[in-house]
Amino acid sequence: QVQLQQSGAELVKPGASVKMSCKAFGYTFTTYPIEWMKQNHGKSLEWIGNFHPYNDDTKYNEKFKGKAKLTVEKSSSTVYLELSRLTSDDSAVYYCARKLGGYFDVWGAGTTVTVSS
Amino acid sequence: QIVLTQSPAIMSASLGERVTMTCTASSSVSSSYLHWYQQKPGSSPKLWIYSTSNLASGVPARFSGSGSGTSYSLTISSMEAEDAATYYCHQYHRSPPTFGGGTKLEIK
Repeated sequence: QVQLQQSGAELVKPGASVKMSCKAFGYTFTTYPIEWMKQNHGKSLEWIGNFHPYNDDTKYNEKFKGKAKLTVEKSSSTVYLELSRLTSDDSAVYYCARKLGGYFDVWGAGTTVTVSS
Repeated sequence: QIVLTQSPAIMSASLGERVTMTCTASSSVSSSYLHWYQQKPGSSPKLWIYSTSNLASGVPARFSGSGSGTSYSLTISSMEAEDAATYYCHQYHRSPPTFGGGTKLEIK
C-alpha cells in the first residue's frame, strides 16, 4: 500500500530551525517527485517546493527560498524539509505528497509545527 | 502565479440537494492540470477529482467535474452527509502550483 509517513509534531523556539521527514512506502521511491505544502490553521494550502529522488532535482516557491531546504536519504526512501529562522508565521501544518502526473495522489498525515517561546 | 478563486467560500446544502461550486483561474489552465481535493477537519487533503473530470479511486459517482480555460466546477448530484468537507481546486499548469481558498460545504 502506497503511504507517506510524516514525523511527529514539533514545538520550537523563535529563531531556531526544524527538520521534518516524509518516508515513502509501497512504491519505487525514485519514480515520483515528493511535494511539500504549508497549511495555516483553517486556511488554504501553499506550495513550498518539490524534490525528485531520481535526479535530485529540487524546485522552490520563490516565497520559501531561504526559508525551506529539501534533502533526501535514498537508503530509507525519506525526504526531509528543513525550515530555518523560525517565526510565529511558520506555525502551521506541513504536508508532503506524491506527485503523479500533474496532481498529488497520496498525502502524508501532516506535521504540525508550533513556534513559541 | 496563477490565482485560483473559489466560490462560494462557505455553503450549506440539504441532504439530497444538488451542489455546485466553482473555481476561477486568473489565466487559462489546461484541463489536464486542474484538480480537486477534499479535506475534512483533522485530516490531510485527499485527491478527489483529477484532470477536471476524472474521479479518484473510491470517489462516489454522484461527484462530477467540468470546465475549461479559466472556469471549472465540481458538482454533487445529490448531497449526502459524508460530503460535508472543504474542497480545494489546484492547478499545476504553471509553476508554482497553486490552490484555491477552498469551499466549505456544510449540511443544512
